[in-house]
Amino acid sequence: RKEVEQDPGPFNVPEGATVAFNCTYSNSASQSFFWYRQDCRKEPKLLMSVYSSGNEDGRFTAQLNRASQYISLLIRDSKLSDSATYLCVVKTSGTYKYIFGTGTRLKVLA
Amino acid sequence: DTGVSQNPRHKITKRGQNVTFRCDPISEHNRLYWYRQTLGQGPEFLTYFQNEAQLEKSRLLSDRFSAERPKGSFSTLEIQRTEQGDSAMYLCASSSPTSTGGRAEKLFFGSGTQLSVL
Repeated sequence: RKEVEQDPGPFNVPEGATVAFNCTYSNSASQSFFWYRQDCRKEPKLLMSVYSSGNEDGRFTAQLNRASQYISLLIRDSKLSDSATYLCVVKTSGTYKYIFGTGTRLKVLA
Repeated sequence: DTGVSQNPRHKITKRGQNVTFRCDPISEHNRLYWYRQTLGQGPEFLTYFQNEAQLEKSRLLSDRFSAERPKGSFSTLEIQRTEQGDSAMYLCASSSPTSTGGRAEKLFFGSGTQLSVL
């Protein structure tokens, strides 16, 4: 079983739609959680960290469910520019590495 | 530009040859990571340096791979006797505990080196 699992998509949604991605992680010792965005042929960039209480940044909302070991990302009012791959990232205590999921591809259609 | 710099951007080599990539992190960052990414997959962790010390290395990494960060600044990743399965994008990232101002540590990635092994 992969340590971090995501639905690869693609998710094709119209502009203005709300879309949600989930990510599950297998190690209960995981302590830090992030969403990164990766545009085609570009490097990943941090979109937002995920805090236990949930957090929001403009149109983006991230939530963490430790009991079920999943993280979610909600994008409201999708823009064409949101089209990208969204990578779920987990860091576990006792290790320095950040573990990336395979990514979920989003395409926002005009 | 004070971002993470990687060289070369592209490398084409024949199977069996050795290749070396370089990463120059953001100058004040003491943490440096190497990742490998293939099409349709997320970045896969290879190794981690804190200053000049290599503190973690992936168990998946064969002994053909070696990385150094001799003075705690730039880093090199060498692959010996390349195989076609080594073809991938090799990404370097750097970070610093002070770069976030909060709980989360932000990784800054370079543009990567695309390796093609023929």
